[in-house]
Amino acid sequence: KAGVTQTPRYLIKTRGQQVTLSCSPISGHRSVSWYQQTPGQGLQFLFEYFSETQRNKGNFPGRFSGRQFSNSRSEMNVSTLELGDSALYLCASSVKVNEQYFGPGTRLTVT
Amino acid sequence: GEDVEQSLFLSVREGDSSVINCTYTDSSSTYLYWYKQEPGAGLQLLTYIFSNMDMKQDQRLTVLLNKKDKHLSLRIADTQTGDSAIYFCAQGTGYALNFGKGTSLLVTP
Repeated sequence: KAGVTQTPRYLIKTRGQQVTLSCSPISGHRSVSWYQQTPGQGLQFLFEYFSETQRNKGNFPGRFSGRQFSNSRSEMNVSTLELGDSALYLCASSVKVNEQYFGPGTRLTVT
Repeated sequence: GEDVEQSLFLSVREGDSSVINCTYTDSSSTYLYWYKQEPGAGLQLLTYIFSNMDMKQDQRLTVLLNKKDKHLSLRIADTQTGDSAIYFCAQGTGYALNFGKGTSLLVTP
């Protein structure tokens, strides 16, 4: 089975712009979660989607949003980018709550 | 949020055992996890333990859980240079996991 794929792998944006990241889960996985990884804050949970519905949300501002499509693929969007949004954004898919499989991440650099 | 604490760095010789420790504060977590991250890669789920278990063994990996002290450890037997990576402890009940900052394991020949 193919693993979780994330596109693009690397991205450079300017402050004030917006960005959309994509995640394709493992086939058959309906839950998709997003995490932000930074050197200072470590790994922080953003949100989780299941069957196109957001079930859980972390403590991030409203500039961070996401959605999930009927084929379970998910996107996350960050509007009005700030320098502090520079991070590795990781997506994870799962069938069972205790087994989340992570993709390689999208490295976002905001200049 | 709830805290998960790990030491930042561990160095061991090839062939020795490695023990990575973690303490957590949320006693209501259903599962505790160990993930591995190699440079430039995402997280790889190594193993997890249900909160009502004390120990779990999976090949070279042994997880010990002390619920009274809220302490979790990962022992890697016969550590190899390929085990050099960052190891993350995490806790959670649902899909929202709370991670430690990671322990960087360096295995020297």
